[in-house]
Amino acid sequence: NAGVTQTPKFQVLKTGQSMTLQCAQDMNHEYMSWYRQDPGMGLRLIHYSVGAGITDQGEVPNGYNVSRSTTEDFPLRLLSAAPSQTSVYFCASSKTPTHNEQFFGPGTRLTVL
Amino acid sequence: GQNIDQPTEMTATEGAIVQINCTYQTSGFNGLFWYQQHAGEAPTFLSYNVLDGLEEKGRFSSFLSRSKGYSYLLLKELQMKDSASYLCAAESGDSNYQLIWGAGTKLIIKP
Repeated sequence: NAGVTQTPKFQVLKTGQSMTLQCAQDMNHEYMSWYRQDPGMGLRLIHYSVGAGITDQGEVPNGYNVSRSTTEDFPLRLLSAAPSQTSVYFCASSKTPTHNEQFFGPGTRLTVL
Repeated sequence: GQNIDQPTEMTATEGAIVQINCTYQTSGFNGLFWYQQHAGEAPTFLSYNVLDGLEEKGRFSSFLSRSKGYSYLLLKELQMKDSASYLCAAESGDSNYQLIWGAGTKLIIKP
């Protein structure tokens, strides 16, 4: 079991560029989510999915898109990068949306210049 | 509103005991998680409390009081490897499955 994998680990973008952060899990978890983590703040939910074909917005969805075509994959797209999106991004999955621990990927450290 | 408060930083001595507190306000409540996060790494699950009381898991214990909106994580026999941030997260019980996360408590262990 690889658990939750994320690529890339590091990325530098210029303002206005777009990119996709990849996330995959091999635990057959229904629930997947994307967080961003900034210094001095708690994890903030960007988007989440409760199953293939179903996505919804979290606390800070603006500037990001997601899709969930399979149970395993949950990519996060930055549409037009801005310096405010400089952050560490974590993908997480859990068996169900509630009452279960979340398993986190190793994170992507994104810098937008 | 919904929020979680926990101390920003704590210092303790190797071999000692430390208690990290967390208070929460949520609209509805399902349970409370504690995660550990070493610098530069992802959070990893420590505990989940639903009912009032203390749950012990090795050197780590977690306590919950639903009526007071309060939890703590107790770490015994501290080791240098326990130096990390400890994140408290409340499961709010509303319909959008969001966890309310605290900013984390950075625990520094001194020899």
